[in-house]
Amino acid sequence: EAGVTQFPSHSVIEKGQTVTLRCDPISGHDNLYWYRRVMGKEIKFLLHFVKESKQDESGMPNNRFLAERTGGTYSTLKVQPAELEDSGVYFCASSQDLRASDTQYFGPGTRLTVL
Amino acid sequence: RKEVEQDPGPFNVPEGATVAFNCTYSNSASQSFFWYRQDCRKEPKLLMSVYSSGNEDGRFTAQLNRASQYISLLIRDSKLSDSATYLCVVRNRDDKIIFGKGTRLHILP
Repeated sequence: EAGVTQFPSHSVIEKGQTVTLRCDPISGHDNLYWYRRVMGKEIKFLLHFVKESKQDESGMPNNRFLAERTGGTYSTLKVQPAELEDSGVYFCASSQDLRASDTQYFGPGTRLTVL
Repeated sequence: RKEVEQDPGPFNVPEGATVAFNCTYSNSASQSFFWYRQDCRKEPKLLMSVYSSGNEDGRFTAQLNRASQYISLLIRDSKLSDSATYLCVVRNRDDKIIFGKGTRLHILP
């Protein structure tokens, strides 16, 4: 079974540019999560989709970040315009159920560097 | 105070030794607890869930102490391949998932 995949693995952009990250969850997983790890800090929750609906987007830092999950399959996270503090590793995770004990499977992450 | 706190380490432990680390959480309503393992420049991977009664998986034992609001991870007979960062993860009743910063473990040959 294929795991969670993310694209690209690395992205280097200049401040003010736009970047779109993509996440393909495990097939059949209704829940999709985005997280971010900024250098030296802990992994932080950004948002949670259940199918195509945003269940919780309380972790999104500001309105420069836009996440979509059209059709309830893959998701994109767009940063526009990017700022220096957006640099970090963006992880996507998926899970099958909403039970509290349900395992989240993480993708390999996208390492974003904003210059 | 951070919601989930861990000793960042590093813990430098000789191969074959037993090592244990704790994680404290501040939200008494926290519902589920996990230990994840993260290798350098890789994604976090679930090591084990932590159950109220404590649970064991091979050389790994996890404990939960709700009264004192901490969870622990014990690794017996440590192997070189156990070297990694161990992330404490807590899920609250509102389904918020909170990560600790992680504890770095180095197993020395």
